[in-house]
Amino acid sequence: NAGVTQTPKFRILKIGQSMTLQCAQDMNHNYMYWYRQDPGMGLKLIYYSVGAGITDKGEVPNGYNVSRSTTEDFPLRLELAAPSQTSVYFCASSYSGRILSYNEQFFGPGTRLTVL
Amino acid sequence: AQSVTQPDIHITVSEGASLELRCNYSYGATPYLFWYVQSPGQGLQLLLKYFSGDTLVQGIKGFEAEFKRSQSSFNLRKPSVHWSDAAEYFCAVGGSGNTGKLIFGQGTTLQVKP
Repeated sequence: NAGVTQTPKFRILKIGQSMTLQCAQDMNHNYMYWYRQDPGMGLKLIYYSVGAGITDKGEVPNGYNVSRSTTEDFPLRLELAAPSQTSVYFCASSYSGRILSYNEQFFGPGTRLTVL
Repeated sequence: AQSVTQPDIHITVSEGASLELRCNYSYGATPYLFWYVQSPGQGLQLLLKYFSGDTLVQGIKGFEAEFKRSQSSFNLRKPSVHWSDAAEYFCAVGGSGNTGKLIFGQGTTLQVKP
């Protein structure tokens, strides 16, 4: 079991470039999440998905897009990179978000992105 | 709106000393509370969680946390800190609805002196 994997680990982008951050999980989790972490700000939710084909915005979705065509994969797309998107990005997954069984979120190792 | 506050941005303790990290939350209903730890360059790992029942919960690595509804707090404690506990600690509250969303505090960085 690899858990949650993220690629790449590091990336430097120029302003206006685009890229996709990859996230995959092999735990058959139906819930997946993308966060960004900025110093002193904790983690902010960008997008989340409750199953294949279903996505929704989190707290800070502007400048990002997601898709969820399979249970395993949840890529995050940056279309026009801006310096404000310099951050560490974490993907996470959980088995279920049901209130009665609030399950642990498992996190990937993160992608450190710099936009210059 | 739900929120989580970790009043201490940075804490330094000596190895072997006790530790308490503070967490205050704002949530209208019964909260679902979590503590995560992040070692440098790593992702987040769950230390412990509270859903209901006993207000003192035990976690991994010798950590425990106590839920106090009257104070809206969920403080993390450890009786004797080890150098390997140096990390960043995040408190989180479960959001509303069946989405599993978490709201995180700003984090507390723990430094351990030899």
